[in-house]
Amino acid sequence: DAGVTQSPTHLIKTRGQQVTLRCSPKSGHDTVSWYQQALGQGPQFIFQYYEEEERQRGNFPDRFSGHQFPNYSSELNVNALLLGDSALYLCASSRGGQGGEKLFFGSGTQLSVL
Amino acid sequence: AQKITQTQPGMFVQEKEAVTLDCTYDTSDQSYGLFWYKQPSSGEMIFLIYQGSYDEQNATEGRYSLNFQKARKSANLVISASQLGDSAMYFCAMRERDSNYQLIWGAGTKLIIKP
Repeated sequence: DAGVTQSPTHLIKTRGQQVTLRCSPKSGHDTVSWYQQALGQGPQFIFQYYEEEERQRGNFPDRFSGHQFPNYSSELNVNALLLGDSALYLCASSRGGQGGEKLFFGSGTQLSVL
Repeated sequence: AQKITQTQPGMFVQEKEAVTLDCTYDTSDQSYGLFWYKQPSSGEMIFLIYQGSYDEQNATEGRYSLNFQKARKSANLVISASQLGDSAMYFCAMRERDSNYQLIWGAGTKLIIKP
């Protein structure tokens, strides 16, 4: 049973570029949440997708957008990259629209913006 | 104000000893949940234990237990009989009723188990 998978594992971009990160949830899960984890800090909630719609959003600018596909996989897009966007981006999946209990995380995508 | 505070940036513990990781929280909600996650160097967050605000008994999961003191707004993680594989970052997190779909995280504690 595959867990949460994220791709790519590492990514290097330059300021102003755009990036797309991908996430496949754990089998049987229909809800995907995205978190940004800067070095030495705890994760910050970006948004959650459920039934192909953004259900809740954290304090992130509109440069951060997402999408959920009918197979429940999800993408995180970041436009006009800034140096401060360098972080580990974690995807978490759950079942039934929940955001807390039994969150399963992927290993993340490490994004470096130069 | 910080909603989740973990005051121990790092800890060294001898193998087989018990260890307590501190977490205090701040919320005005009556209904909330508290979580502990482990993050090894691989980056993946691993769920350890959950405590609901209305749970009367402290949560336990194997070697992990949560010392929940509601009046003090404290939710400390206790690991009994520590093992070398317990070396990792540990994060305390909270879900509030009004923000049901997101977790709010502390800054974490780096735990190193010495052989």
